[in-house]
Amino acid sequence: GAGVSQSPSNKVTEKGKDVELRCDPISGHTALYWYRQRLGQGLEFLIYFQGNSAPDKSGLPSDRFSAERTGESVSTLTIQRTQQEDSAVYLCASSLLMNTEAFFGQGTRLTVV
Amino acid sequence: GEDVEQSLFLSVREGDSSVINCTYTDSSSTYLYWYKQEPGAGLQLLTYIFSNMDMKQDQRLTVLLNKKDKHLSLRIADTQTGDSAIYFCAERRNTGGFKTIFGAGTRLFVKA
Repeated sequence: GAGVSQSPSNKVTEKGKDVELRCDPISGHTALYWYRQRLGQGLEFLIYFQGNSAPDKSGLPSDRFSAERTGESVSTLTIQRTQQEDSAVYLCASSLLMNTEAFFGQGTRLTVV
Repeated sequence: GEDVEQSLFLSVREGDSSVINCTYTDSSSTYLYWYKQEPGAGLQLLTYIFSNMDMKQDQRLTVLLNKKDKHLSLRIADTQTGDSAIYFCAERRNTGGFKTIFGAGTRLFVKA
């Protein structure tokens, strides 16, 4: 597609449920990043993929968070047993290479009630 | 510290210059970025500077880099109401993996 696409754009879920967030990067972009933006706060780095590989998972907030990427394309961020503190906008970005400009999606607004 | 730091708010009058400051943490960071986030919109890369440069100018935008102090600034000349947004400073760290770490963002208010 023309830009980074994320789905859903909004998600309301009950505490304790699992959610899956999807990111479609720009075609051909090898690097993909996930960030979290809590209300009124900056961007918190979660994880990046170089191809299908995530060399560093230390940014994930807890073991309830996991991410995968397949076919050097789509990535999913899964949050298990959601908590209210997980409420945030989850932003995905992709770049052609690791050191080139990152293009951001519009984000998924997750609300845990 | 571990964080990229920015002041949270800046208010200027239309037509004045805005200067948004940032301190970053990793002296080996090779790329430093400024992103703009308008209300309800995604992040847009405004400009970036490579670490071997002191200054970069792009139309109304001037980026200054003081590598010794790990200080980055963004100057917007002739600030317009359309410049009202949140401006994020970010560094691309080379240590511990290629992570781009963002500051908390500076909310710029432009008064007519």
